[in-house]
Amino acid sequence: AQSVAQPEDQVNVAEGNPLTVKCTYSVSGNPYLFWYVQYPNRGLQFLLKYITGDNLVKGSYGFEAEFNKSQTSFHLKKPSALVSDSALYFCAVRGYNFNKFYFGSGTKLNVKP
Amino acid sequence: EAGVAQSPRYKIIEKRQSVAFWCNPISGHATLYWYQQILGQGPKLLIQFQNNGVVDDSQLPKDRFSAERLKGVDSTLKIQPAKLEDSAVYLCASSLDPSGKQFFGPGTRLTVL
Repeated sequence: AQSVAQPEDQVNVAEGNPLTVKCTYSVSGNPYLFWYVQYPNRGLQFLLKYITGDNLVKGSYGFEAEFNKSQTSFHLKKPSALVSDSALYFCAVRGYNFNKFYFGSGTKLNVKP
Repeated sequence: EAGVAQSPRYKIIEKRQSVAFWCNPISGHATLYWYQQILGQGPKLLIQFQNNGVVDDSQLPKDRFSAERLKGVDSTLKIQPAKLEDSAVYLCASSLDPSGKQFFGPGTRLTVL
């Protein structure tokens, strides 16, 4: 069965500090992994994706994610958080046959000035 | 570039009534998705179309939900009859192909009384 887990409902970080939002997955075959962000009163927006290649993927707004096959993780990171990064972040996974797509439950990121 | 359009933006109905949502994807996008997002949860994929064919509808409650994508462009999602637990935001998304990033519409917020 395919699934994705976000173990933290909320992450609090001070502006300027590095941030990490955690994601682990379970999928048959090689995974396609995604991060999306949902700002208040705005639609879901794509941040980045991993399909193959370099384990460190760079995306929009200075975010990056590290794919770790042995730990089945795909954590979202940013070296220096901004208050404007405060939003709801979703990890998602698609199995290799493209027929299933699952979102995690989301992690609320709070960046305080 | 025009985004994914959805209508209506809000709908309030009583249980056992029927309701329909409309989605116009980004031009040229072959893959279209309908998601249900209940408050506090991640989006749940209801149905995925590739052009006008159904790729996955394993999580669609087929006794009350139906969807179609005639001519491989616009799509409609219908609920008949609605239940209280159908209260949610219904999101439409599209992508060039199943492995690509998804572009989301603003969603339709359904309230079933």
